[in-house]
Amino acid sequence: AQSVTQLDSHVSVSEGTPVLLRCNYSSSYSPSLFWYVQHPNKGLQLLLKYTSAATLVKGINGFEAEFKKSETSFHLTKPSAHMSDAAEYFCVVILTGANNLFFGTGTRLTVIP
Amino acid sequence: DTEVTQTPKHLVMGMTNKKSLKCEQHMGHRAMYWYKQKAKKPPELMFVYSYEKLSINESVPSRFSPECPNSSLLNLHLHALQPEDSALYLCASSQVSGTNTGELFFGEGSRLTVL
Repeated sequence: AQSVTQLDSHVSVSEGTPVLLRCNYSSSYSPSLFWYVQHPNKGLQLLLKYTSAATLVKGINGFEAEFKKSETSFHLTKPSAHMSDAAEYFCVVILTGANNLFFGTGTRLTVIP
Repeated sequence: DTEVTQTPKHLVMGMTNKKSLKCEQHMGHRAMYWYKQKAKKPPELMFVYSYEKLSINESVPSRFSPECPNSSLLNLHLHALQPEDSALYLCASSQVSGTNTGELFFGEGSRLTVL
């Protein structure tokens, strides 16, 4: 079985401070892992993906995530938050080659000026 | 700009109406998806088409009827909906299984309100 757990439903940070959004996964097979971002009333946009290459993955807008198999984690980080980062973030797992994505419940990021 | 285009962006319909949501992509993807998203929830998979054939139907009520006329188009026909069907409906596309790294390209969604 595959699933993802996003440990925080809401994270609030001050502008310019680091961001950490946590995600743990469970997968019986070699997983592909993703972070998607959704701004209000918009579709989902891919931030970054891990597909069994480098364990440290760099994405768009300064975000990155590290795949840690021993901890079954794929946490999303950014050194310095920007106001435009305020959005909903979804951690997603897929069995490679399959058609369905398993979404975490989402983390809402608030950035305080 | 998204490469998956959904129309209409907003739709209000009564419970006896028949309407359709449309989705179009020109990336050569052969898998297309419908997701339903309620407020403050993750998207829930409804249907998957692979090579224009329905491959996944997640036990969706028959008042939702998908159609894939060709590899670029995906429709969702709506009939006799209930107020609880009000949601954001997201279309997505991807490469097909085997070469699929899992990346889905999403449209901006159609926000449906059922009165």
